[in-house]
Parts: sequence; structure tokens; C-alpha cells
Amino acid sequence: DTAVSQTPKYLVTQMGNDKSIKCEQNLGHDTMYWYKQDSKKFLKIMFSYNNKELIINETVPNRFSPKSPDKAHLNLHINSLELGDSAVYFCASSQVDRYVGYTFGSGTRLTVV
Amino acid sequence: GNSVTQMEGPVTLSEEAFLTINCTYTATGYPSLFWYVQYPGEGLQLLLKATKADDKGSNKGFEATYRKETTSFHLEKGSVQVSDSAVYFCALRLRSNDYKLSFGAGTTVTVRA
Repeated sequence: DTAVSQTPKYLVTQMGNDKSIKCEQNLGHDTMYWYKQDSKKFLKIMFSYNNKELIINETVPNRFSPKSPDKAHLNLHINSLELGDSAVYFCASSQVDRYVGYTFGSGTRLTVV
Repeated sequence: GNSVTQMEGPVTLSEEAFLTINCTYTATGYPSLFWYVQYPGEGLQLLLKATKADDKGSNKGFEATYRKETTSFHLEKGSVQVSDSAVYFCALRLRSNDYKLSFGAGTTVTVRA
């Protein structure tokens, strides 16, 4: 039933490690996104893929690399994790149409220690 | 550039009080406007939307009207409940901006019994 699902929900890891967050949507949408929410609840877009093609790539460190094996999946891989990467990461999907909102996953809380 | 400004919180109200959260936008073109709600520990849910001037979005007792002349999309609810305690985000989406959903900073609302 879940429309946009992310795993894991919580991730605690040490500085310098490499980790991945997975996202899948079953809505048939053609576009997927990653957002980062900081401790003050501010939401910033990181990446967007449309039909497996990268269309939005905001100013994000190269340590972050998205991968979209198909239009239903968008994974986020983070290398050499830093303390400042601690945040909640949200995946979302939509159709590329300005009249439509996004559907969000429930988030992955990443804590780097 | 395209941006959303919403009133800073936190906002604390008593049950059955009237809630208004101000939201104004700056955009090159005619955006679609959205209000999203984030309940504690959850992802974002679309609350309501409006796609053109003078449209009124409504859901769960909340309303917002797209005012082109004042570039505003203020959220209102006539009688809040404890269950309305959440973070509310105003957002816009614009075709000329790759259909990216740009969020305001969020307003935390706490309703006390």
C-alpha cells in the first residue's frame, strides 16, 4: 500500500563511513526527488530524476551520489560521512506537471557520530 | 529568484482558536501553490493546493486562497484541534524552474487543550 517507501528509517553511523538510503515508489510517477531537512526543519532539494535522467542537481557535495536504476527507484549514496550530514532525508515522487504536488516518503533520520 | 516566505513560529494556540499562517511568494511566472503539513515524526503530506489566481484550496477545515495581487497564499482554519499540532510548509512549483517544489521555512504550530 505504501506509496513512497524509504529504507532505513533510522541510520546511525560513524564519521568517514559510506552509507546508502533506498527509495521506491509504486505510484507510476515519472520523477523522483531527494530533499534534506535540517534540525530547524528547513527543506532543501538535493536531486531530481525524471525517467532515470538527472534533471536537478543542486549544490551538493560530490560525496552525495544519487542512482536511479529505473523510474520507480532512486537511491542516495553518501561517501565519507561528516557530522554535518546529520539530518532527515526525504524521498518524494511526482509527475512532471506544475499542477501536481509531490508525494513524500516518511524520511530517513541519519545521525553521524 | 523564486522563493516562499512564511511567518516564523512557533505559534501556540488554544483549542478552538482561529489559526492564520501567512505565506507570500516571489516568482517569475505563474506558480502553483501548496500547503504541506508534517506531523511529529512523519513525512510531509499535501494539505491543499491552488493552481491559478483566485483559486481556493481547502481540506480538513483548512483554507487558502491564491492572491496574485498580493502574491500571497495564507493558510487559515477557523477552529483548531490538538491534532492540528504540526509543522506547516508553504511551497510553490513553477514550470520555468524545472517544476521544482520550493518550500518556505516552515511554521511550527502547537495547539493546547
